[in-house]
Amino acid sequence: GAGVSQSPRYKVAKRGQDVALRCDPISGHVSLFWYQQALGQGPEFLTYFQNEAQLDKSGLPSDRFFAERPEGSVSTLKIQRTQQEDSAVYLCASRQFPGPRHGELFFGEGSRLTVL
Amino acid sequence: AQSVTQLDSQVPVFEEAPVELRCNYSSSVSVYLFWYVQYPNQGLQLLLKYLSGSTLVKGINGFEAEFNKSQTSFHLRKPSVHISDTAEYFCAVRKIQGAQKLVFGQGTRLTINP
Repeated sequence: GAGVSQSPRYKVAKRGQDVALRCDPISGHVSLFWYQQALGQGPEFLTYFQNEAQLDKSGLPSDRFFAERPEGSVSTLKIQRTQQEDSAVYLCASRQFPGPRHGELFFGEGSRLTVL
Repeated sequence: AQSVTQLDSQVPVFEEAPVELRCNYSSSVSVYLFWYVQYPNQGLQLLLKYLSGSTLVKGINGFEAEFNKSQTSFHLRKPSVHISDTAEYFCAVRKIQGAQKLVFGQGTRLTINP
């Protein structure tokens, strides 16, 4: 596709529900990142994939958060038993190769999660 | 660990005036530096980056930034702003070696008044 695509763009969940957020990176991009952006804050790193390998998940806030990229392309961020503090915009970004000298990091428009 | 401080949460300026958005960082290792812009309801877009070489970096839309290692700063400037520059601006750093993640500041909302 032309850019990084995320779905759904907006999600409202009741506290305790499970949610799944999808990211379609630019075709052929090796590196994929997930960030969480709370209202009025900068993006905070959640996790990083290089192809299908999850190389860094140090930013996942709890074991309720889980991410996968089984075939090295589409990625899903799953949040179990959502809490109100999970309300945020979840951003996905991809880059053709690892390392900032190898191309620009492209961001999707984000998935806005509201937990009631 | 790395951290980024954007000293101004909001900056209002008049159209065609110059603007400077301030960014300071803290890191025990060498880093790359970035500025991103986020227009309403859009994803982040790279404005410019400093990897090495000349400390004055030029980016898109007439923006530039200067890396000052002694002051650990990477301030963003534009000599004459336009209404279309109204957006949120984020400064970010990344370790040169090791972890791939970007560490972002809290952002500066730039508002251009006619």
